[in-house]
Amino acid sequence: DAGVIQSPRHEVTEMGQEVTLRCKPISGHNSLFWYRQTMMRGLELLIYFNNNVPIDDSGMPEDRFSAKMPNASFSTLKIQPSEPRDSAVYFCASSLALFGSGDEKLFFGSGTQLSVL
Amino acid sequence: GNSVTQMEGPVTLSEEAFLTINCTYTATGYPSLFWYVQYPGEGLQLLLKATKADDKGSNKGFEATYRKETTSFHLEKGSVQVSDSAVYFCALIEGAGSYQLTFGKGTKLSVIP
Repeated sequence: DAGVIQSPRHEVTEMGQEVTLRCKPISGHNSLFWYRQTMMRGLELLIYFNNNVPIDDSGMPEDRFSAKMPNASFSTLKIQPSEPRDSAVYFCASSLALFGSGDEKLFFGSGTQLSVL
Repeated sequence: GNSVTQMEGPVTLSEEAFLTINCTYTATGYPSLFWYVQYPGEGLQLLLKATKADDKGSNKGFEATYRKETTSFHLEKGSVQVSDSAVYFCALIEGAGSYQLTFGKGTKLSVIP
């Protein structure tokens, strides 16, 4: 399997522009997570999907952020309008195991490095 | 709420040196504990885990023991290699049904020849 695939690897945009990040989870995985990584705050969970349904979006910083999972093999994270403070590395991760089973294992993509000027 | 505290980095070691990265946690229940590793330009990968007190997780020469009495899960390796240079994250997940991993801020390790 190719693993979790994210695109683009790098995105540079200007403040106010719309940004769309994409993720293809590992085939057969039923849980998908979007994380944001910054030096100041470390890794933050933005949103969690289970079986394509958003379960917890309490980590989404504000209404400018939205995420969708139209099917089991694709998810997007959109920022509109983008701001310089959104600059970070955004990771998508997927998992098969039932959390709380003791067999939890997240598979991460390589991330998208977002720079908002 | 849950939290994970790791020793601040960066940590710089010579090849074949002994490694310890400290990790302590705060949790209300009985969490599972993990170490993830992030190599340059890549996403995080699970390195090892332990699901109950006194369990020892091990992988690739790394070890960590779940110490409930000290709420710790320190990562150790007896002899590091240059290829171990990476950022190491301690993490926990609360009990059954929980899905949210709580990560520490990461510790950057650099191993020099």
